[in-house]
Amino acid sequence: AQSVTQLDSQVPVFEEAPVELRCNYSSSVSVYLFWYVQYPNQGLQLLLKYLSGSTLVKGINGFEAEFNKSQTSFHLRKPSVHISDTAEYFCAVFNFNKFYFGSGTKLNVKP
Amino acid sequence: GAGVSQSPRYKVAKRGQDVALRCDPISGHVSLFWYQQALGQGPEFLTYFQNEAQLDKSGLPSDRFFAERPEGSVSTLKIQRTQQEDSAVYLCASSPAPGRRDEQFFGPGTRLTVL
Repeated sequence: AQSVTQLDSQVPVFEEAPVELRCNYSSSVSVYLFWYVQYPNQGLQLLLKYLSGSTLVKGINGFEAEFNKSQTSFHLRKPSVHISDTAEYFCAVFNFNKFYFGSGTKLNVKP
Repeated sequence: GAGVSQSPRYKVAKRGQDVALRCDPISGHVSLFWYQQALGQGPEFLTYFQNEAQLDKSGLPSDRFFAERPEGSVSTLKIQRTQQEDSAVYLCASSPAPGRRDEQFFGPGTRLTVL
């Protein structure tokens, strides 16, 4: 069975500060890992994904994530956030031909 | 270019009513997926089509849920005798090729509220 845990349901941060959104997964087999962003009343938009290769993955809008197999983690980071990054972020595992999503982390960027 | 579209965007139903939710995938996309996103939760897989064939319906929560894609393009998710626990956002996604089911493009969702 697959499961994805996002440890923080909400993360408040000031503009231009760094942020890390945490994600851990459980799987007995190799998986593909994803981060999606959801703005209010919109669908999910792909931020970045790890399929294989380099464990440091760079995505859109200045976000990056690092795959850590030993810790089964795939934390999302951004060195300096903007007000426009306020949204909900979902970590997901793709395995057995379907996505398994975490419960989401709401990032609230304050001026 | 046109993305995945869903209609209606909002639907209010009285308990016991039947509802039909429509998904228009990106033109030419072979695979189509439905997800249910309850309030405060991540999306959960409901069902998957490759062209008109429904290859996986393991996520449908009960036999009141039915999905179809008769011509391999537009899909409809039907919920019969709606219950309050069916209130959620229903997301549709499409992907261009069977071998790239991880490459999914999501629509804006239909928010269903059952009173």
